[in-house]
Amino acid sequence: GDSVTQMEGPVTLSEEAFLTINCTYTATGYPSLFWYVQYPGEGLQLLLKATKADDKGSNKGFEATYRKETTSFHLEKGSVQVSDSAVYFCALSDMNTGFQKLVFGTGTRLLVSP
Amino acid sequence: SQTIHQWPATLVQPVGSPLSLECTVEGTSNPNLYWYRQAAGRGLQLLFYSVGIGQISSEVPQNLSASRPQDRQFILSSKKLLLSDSGFYLCAWGLEISYNEQFFGPGTRLTVL
Repeated sequence: GDSVTQMEGPVTLSEEAFLTINCTYTATGYPSLFWYVQYPGEGLQLLLKATKADDKGSNKGFEATYRKETTSFHLEKGSVQVSDSAVYFCALSDMNTGFQKLVFGTGTRLLVSP
Repeated sequence: SQTIHQWPATLVQPVGSPLSLECTVEGTSNPNLYWYRQAAGRGLQLLFYSVGIGQISSEVPQNLSASRPQDRQFILSSKKLLLSDSGFYLCAWGLEISYNEQFFGPGTRLTVL
């Protein structure tokens, strides 16, 4: 079945550092890809998405490019802030059953220190 | 605009007691509805989804059940809680469009003692 693999965390950075969180996927067909963010004690919020190969999703300084040739959707940000500390989930949409389900990675915790 | 509510926000229950978690969505019609569980330090596990009133699909066999008595209401239940039922329960909604995203509620933190 479809699956998503994320890098193990936590990722610990200083403020203004460059961020990369790796995400690779396995899927039949052409899934849409998503990054969700979960702040402490809260539900998940959609951060960005890409629906086809070579699309770049971007939001709040974060971006990710849908790379079909490497089956990847890595999340990047040029300069992180303390407020970016959260858990980040990569996900893909699975339509194999004829119904849209999201398949999530295990999440990567980001800790940004001042 | 659409909003999704979950309650209670936190719950502490003894082993063997019943459970009822409620999720409601406003501002949309005939949404797909989902229940997820997030165990401590782990990813999200899809428990149930529903495409319409009274239509429930279970993803994993377990001690829990779900019901959808109204179009925008989704309930997660158990007759007797287990310790392993502890976790963070998230409700989400989405529309029947092939690549549309899902929108999540604030979650319920359940601790079974």
